[in-house]
Amino acid sequence: GIQVEQSPPDLILQEGANSTLRCNFSDSVNNLQWFHQNPWGQLINLFYIPSGTKQNGRLSATTVATERYSLLYISSSQTTDSGVYFCAVHLYNFNKFYFGSGTKLNVKP
Amino acid sequence: DSGVTQTPKHLITATGQRVTLRCSPRSGDLSVYWYQQSLDQGLQFLIQYYNGEERAKGNILERFSAQQFPDLHSELNLSSLELGDSALYFCASSVVSANTGELFFGEGSRLTVL
Repeated sequence: GIQVEQSPPDLILQEGANSTLRCNFSDSVNNLQWFHQNPWGQLINLFYIPSGTKQNGRLSATTVATERYSLLYISSSQTTDSGVYFCAVHLYNFNKFYFGSGTKLNVKP
Repeated sequence: DSGVTQTPKHLITATGQRVTLRCSPRSGDLSVYWYQQSLDQGLQFLIQYYNGEERAKGNILERFSAQQFPDLHSELNLSSLELGDSALYFCASSVVSANTGELFFGEGSRLTVL
């Protein structure tokens, strides 16, 4: 079956630290997104990035589709970055998105 | 605000009951997806509709059903509720059915079954 693996599963950071979250997928994708689920349960779109690199403030993401992975970079982390980060992929010829199990991030003041 | 509207935000009911969750997609989006998220779990895909037709099915129980109406809003019906059905139910929408189109989530409906 389709595998979407995220690492690390848990991450604890001190405020101001940088981090890299990884998403590996087992098949060719035509859509990849990163989401942040905040402590209130809301799912926030971070990046729509089937390939290439994008930046939005302190966050950036890179997807290397040919090598089947994507990275989410968080720089100068803040306590508001806490929550769970999910990647989701949409595969060719499949009509649904596959979600990874998430990386739970806790940023301490 | 993603533009996807879900109601109700919170719902408390008893075992054996039936509830209906409602979703209005973003303006112009034809696809609606339903996901279930149990406590501290990932997102489980339930079902997808595209322009009124069922397009893909995931791990949706037979006690659950859904539909998408001509105005593109969707409803998820959960019946004979069990304690284990307590979860956050998300609706998401995208412009197209597959291959392209960014997914946007509503704020979810938190269901508690007592």
